[in-house]
Amino acid sequence: EVQLVESGGGLVKPGGSLRLSCAASGFTFSSYSMNWVRQAPGKGLEWVSSISSSSSYIYYADSVKGRFTISRDNAKNSLYLQMNSLRAEDTAVYYCARARQWLDDAFDIWGQGTMVTVSS
Amino acid sequence: AIQLTQSPSSLSASVGDRVTITCRASQGISSALAWYQQKPGKAPKLLIYDASSLESGVPSRFSGSGSGTDFTLTISSLQPEDFATYYCQQFNSYPRYTFGQGTKLEIK
Repeated sequence: EVQLVESGGGLVKPGGSLRLSCAASGFTFSSYSMNWVRQAPGKGLEWVSSISSSSSYIYYADSVKGRFTISRDNAKNSLYLQMNSLRAEDTAVYYCARARQWLDDAFDIWGQGTMVTVSS
Repeated sequence: AIQLTQSPSSLSASVGDRVTITCRASQGISSALAWYQQKPGKAPKLLIYDASSLESGVPSRFSGSGSGTDFTLTISSLQPEDFATYYCQQFNSYPRYTFGQGTKLEIK
C-alpha cells in the first residue's frame, strides 16, 4: 500500500525548533519529488516547501524561507522538515505529500498530518 | 505572485444536484491546476490534475475544465459523500504551489 506517515509534531515555545519526519512506503521514494503543506486550525491549505527526487531543486514559501529546511534521505525512504525560530503563526497540521510525476505537479498521495503547536 | 480565487466560498446543495465551483488565477497558468477534496480531520484527496484529468479511482461525476485563468470543477450529481471542502491549486509559477481559499459544500 502506498503510504506516507508523518511524525515529530508537538508543542514548542516561540523561538524553538522542531524536526518533522515523513516515512514513505509502497512506492519508489527516490523517484518522486516531495512536498510539505500545512493547514492552520480552521484555515485553508498553505504550501510550505518542495524538494526534487535527488534534492537538486528545493523551494520554500516566503513565510518560512530562512527558518525551515527541507531534506530527504532516499536510502531511508524519508522526508524531513527542520523548523527553527518557530512563531505562533506556524501552528498548523503539517502534511507531507508526493508530487504525481514531476516536480511541478499535483500532489497525489498525502500523509495523515502531524500537529505543530507553537505557544508559550 | 499568483493568487487563486475560488467562488463561491460556501455552497448549499442537495443530493442529486449539479454543482460548479470556479477558480480564477490572477495570471495565466496554462493547465497547471489541480482540485482537491478535504473532509474534516482528513488529508486532502486529489480529484483532478492538469485542469481536466481525472485522478485514478475518482468517480466520473467529478470533472474539471479550463485553462489560462479560469477553471471549473463540476460535480454532475451530488452524492452524500461529496459534502466536503474543495480546493484548487496551481503549480505553474511563483510562489510555486498556491492554493485557493477553499469552497465549503454543505447539505441544503
